[in-house]
Amino acid sequence: QVQLVQSGAEVKVPGASVKVSCKASGYLFDNYYIHWVRQAPGHDFEWMGIINPRGGGTNYAQKFQGRITLTSDTYTSTVYMELRSLISEDTALYYCARDFPMVAAGKGWFDPWGQGTLVTVSS
Amino acid sequence: DIQMTQSPSTLSASVGDRVTITCRASQSISNWLAWYQQKPGKAPNLLIYKASTLEGGVPSRFSGSGSGTEFTLTISSLQPDDFATYYCQHYNSYSRTFGQGTKVEIK
Repeated sequence: QVQLVQSGAEVKVPGASVKVSCKASGYLFDNYYIHWVRQAPGHDFEWMGIINPRGGGTNYAQKFQGRITLTSDTYTSTVYMELRSLISEDTALYYCARDFPMVAAGKGWFDPWGQGTLVTVSS
Repeated sequence: DIQMTQSPSTLSASVGDRVTITCRASQSISNWLAWYQQKPGKAPNLLIYKASTLEGGVPSRFSGSGSGTEFTLTISSLQPDDFATYYCQHYNSYSRTFGQGTKVEIK
């Protein structure tokens, strides 16, 4: 079945970087954009960026410009989200999600989501 | 950015109750709206897209309506498995915003 499996929880000190992976299975990886969103404690979902695995084109939320990089590896069907210069406010659950349907080309709904990766930033 | 406002933030209801959640957009989004259900410790799960189209496998007690700026999610007869948090989300652009969520609790 269609599935996104994310890497495990991370604990980082302020100023460090984190790289979270999202491995896709059950569908043609190249055909669907992948989004990243986060959910901090007591906060709304926050959209971070999107990547087109076919070609690697990206679009980032202005808030994260300069601090985030999304990459994709078509050989392993994996998308990566790297966030740099971490601060305590970056403590959150990070999710990847497939954009659906394919014809939406990045402007569809999310289906499915990864299971989430908890990133804790603490000194 | 388009802002999405959900109400209420918390809803206490009993099994069998009819429940309605509202989502308002800061500008017209046509019918580019999805609803998700999230249970504690789990990722959100798609319920409805295009404001009113039920995702496959979702029970028919769930329904969505609305267009433009005002949308509703209705559960016709609340079941024990439905106690969860519900979120609306607009799409049709690369960037996205979500409603703040509505937690449906047991009364």
